[in-house]
Amino acid sequence: DAGVIQSPRHEVTEMGQEVTLRCKPISGHNSLFWYRQTMMRGLELLIYFNNNVPIDDSGMPEDRFSAKMPNASFSTLKIQPSEPRDSAVYFCASSQNTDTQYFGPGTRLTVL
Amino acid sequence: GENVEQHPSTLSVQEGDSAVIKCTYSDSASNYFPWYKQELGKGPQLIIDIRSNVGEKKDQRIAVTLNKTAKHFSLHITETQPEDSAVYFCAASIGAGSYQLTFGKGTKLSVIP
Repeated sequence: DAGVIQSPRHEVTEMGQEVTLRCKPISGHNSLFWYRQTMMRGLELLIYFNNNVPIDDSGMPEDRFSAKMPNASFSTLKIQPSEPRDSAVYFCASSQNTDTQYFGPGTRLTVL
Repeated sequence: GENVEQHPSTLSVQEGDSAVIKCTYSDSASNYFPWYKQELGKGPQLIIDIRSNVGEKKDQRIAVTLNKTAKHFSLHITETQPEDSAVYFCAASIGAGSYQLTFGKGTKLSVIP
């Protein structure tokens, strides 16, 4: 079975540009998570969806960040406008009614 | 909220030796403890997990032990191999439908051939 799929794997953009990261969760999973990983802060939960509904977005750093889940098989994380401090690896994870989360390969974002 | 401390931050072992990574947690309500392995350029992969109703769980060369009284849990890797080299993360959750996983800062394990 395919795992969590993320695209793009790498993104390089200039400050001020809009960035959109994409995620396809494991089929049948009803929970989706967006995480950010940096050396300084480790793995941080940004937002959690259950059955396509955002349940907890308290980890979203600023209004520049937004996330959507229009259906059970797709989610986006958007940063507009991007800033150099947003440079990090962004992970999507999914789970099925349990606490066992399965992570995707991540998107490495570099904002110049 | 929950706080998870992980030690050591780096660990080097000779191939064939054992490796032990320790984590402590603060919230006594936590009852689910997964361990993830992250290889360079990849996402964290679940390698083993334990729930609070058991004290130890084994899967081939990997074992996890849990001491709920002391609020600590450990990962044990025996007969280490070069492919075990990676960053390992522990995490804690109150489980039972909770989505909040609190991660440790990670341990970089290097297995020297």
